Amino acid sequence: DAGVIQSPRHEVTEMGQEVTLRCKPISGHNSLFWYRQTMMRGLELLIYFNNNVPIDDSGMPEDRFSAKMPNASFSTLKIQPSEPRDSAVYFCASSRDIHSNYGYTFGSGTRLTVV
Amino acid sequence: KNEVEQSPQNLTAQEGEFITINCSYSVGISALHWLQQHPGGGIVSLFMLSSGKKKHGRLIATINIQEKHSSLHITASHPRDSAVYICAVSNYQLIWGAGTKLIIKP
Repeated sequence: DAGVIQSPRHEVTEMGQEVTLRCKPISGHNSLFWYRQTMMRGLELLIYFNNNVPIDDSGMPEDRFSAKMPNASFSTLKIQPSEPRDSAVYFCASSRDIHSNYGYTFGSGTRLTVV
Repeated sequence: KNEVEQSPQNLTAQEGEFITINCSYSVGISALHWLQQHPGGGIVSLFMLSSGKKKHGRLIATINIQEKHSSLHITASHPRDSAVYICAVSNYQLIWGAGTKLIIKP
């Protein structure tokens, strides 16, 4: 298995633009998590899905952020409009179940810079 | 008070030294995770524990459920072990510690 695949690896965009981050979880993993990492706040859980259904999006910072999981093999995190304070590394992780009893596998992350 | 506390925050040691990183938590958990993040940024899951002890190569992780405490040990440390080591506990989601930045000098 190729692991959790995130794209792009790096994204530089101008303030006000729409940004879409993509994630392909490991086949057979039922839970998918989006995290954001900054120096100031460390790792923050933004949203997680179980069986393609969003379970908890309380970590999503603002209405500018939205996430979808249209099928078991693909998820997107969208920021519209983007702001400089959204600059961070965004990680996607998947696990076999929502209780993470089988551990997590992380993607390599997307480094987002909003200028 | 944070729900997951790690110590130390920073640790610098010489190659070959035995390393211990500690993690204490205050919530009920289904499992505890140790993860490693290298300077390049990728996060790798090292261990998932719900009891006892696990060993992978030079890495050993232990957990004491009654005391709500876990330790990560590195034997015969090497400069390539330099990374941030993160403790996280899970119930329905991961609750992260702040991480321990480890530097091993040759």
